[in-house]
Amino acid sequence: GNSVTQMEGPVTLSEEAFLTINCTYTATGYPSLFWYVQYPGEGLQLLLKATKADDKGSNKGFEATYRKETTSFHLEKGSVQVSDSAVYFCALSDSSGAGSYQLTFGKGTKLSVIP
Amino acid sequence: SQTIHQWPATLVQPVGSPLSLECTVEGTSNPNLYWYRQAAGRGLQLLFYSVGIGQISSEVPQNLSASRPQDRQFILSSKKLLLSDSGFYLCAWSLQGGETQYFGPGTRLLVL
Repeated sequence: GNSVTQMEGPVTLSEEAFLTINCTYTATGYPSLFWYVQYPGEGLQLLLKATKADDKGSNKGFEATYRKETTSFHLEKGSVQVSDSAVYFCALSDSSGAGSYQLTFGKGTKLSVIP
Repeated sequence: SQTIHQWPATLVQPVGSPLSLECTVEGTSNPNLYWYRQAAGRGLQLLFYSVGIGQISSEVPQNLSASRPQDRQFILSSKKLLLSDSGFYLCAWSLQGGETQYFGPGTRLLVL
C-alpha cells in the first residue's frame, strides 16, 4: 500500500533560518504530492502541491520538488518567520476508483520558530 | 468561492452518549466529501468518504457512522461514544475527480 514518511520533529529554528522538512513516499502508481499546514487549533490548509515528476510546487516562500528517482518531496524555505510555526503534513493522492482520490498523510512535523 | 463549515467547534460529551457532527460546503455542487480523525500527537486517519448523496464508503470499522442526506451536507454520528473517540474531527471536500482536498476548521471532541 501507499505510505508517507516524514521527519517527526519537533523542529525548532531561529527566525530567518533555513528550513528543510524531509518527506519520502511509497506508492504503486504515480501519485500527486502535497504539503498541508495546520496552525494551532485550526484545520489543514493546502500549502503547495506537485502532480508529476520534476514539478516544483511553491507558495508563501515554501518550495518542494517532486523527485521520482528518490521518491521524495522535501519542503524548504529560505528564511522562516515566527508566523510559520505550525504542523506540516506531507501527503500523497491516489485514485480509489469511482471518481474519488484518497490522501495518505505522514504523521506531521511540528515547527517552532523563535525570535 | 467555496467554503466549508463544521459545527460545533468544540464538544464535550460523556461516555455512552450519542454524537452528531455536521459539515456543509458552499459554492460547489456534487463534491466528494471526507471525514478524518486526528488523535492527539498522531496523523490523520480517513474515516469515511462519499462521492454522492447516500453513497458512503467506510475506511475503518468502528462505532461511528456517516450519512450524506443532501448534496453538500455530511454528518458524522455515533450511538454511543467511547473514550477512544476523543480527537479532532476534520471534514474535507474535493471536486469530483479532483485530487486536492480542502479542509474545514475542525471539531474538537472530548469524551469523558
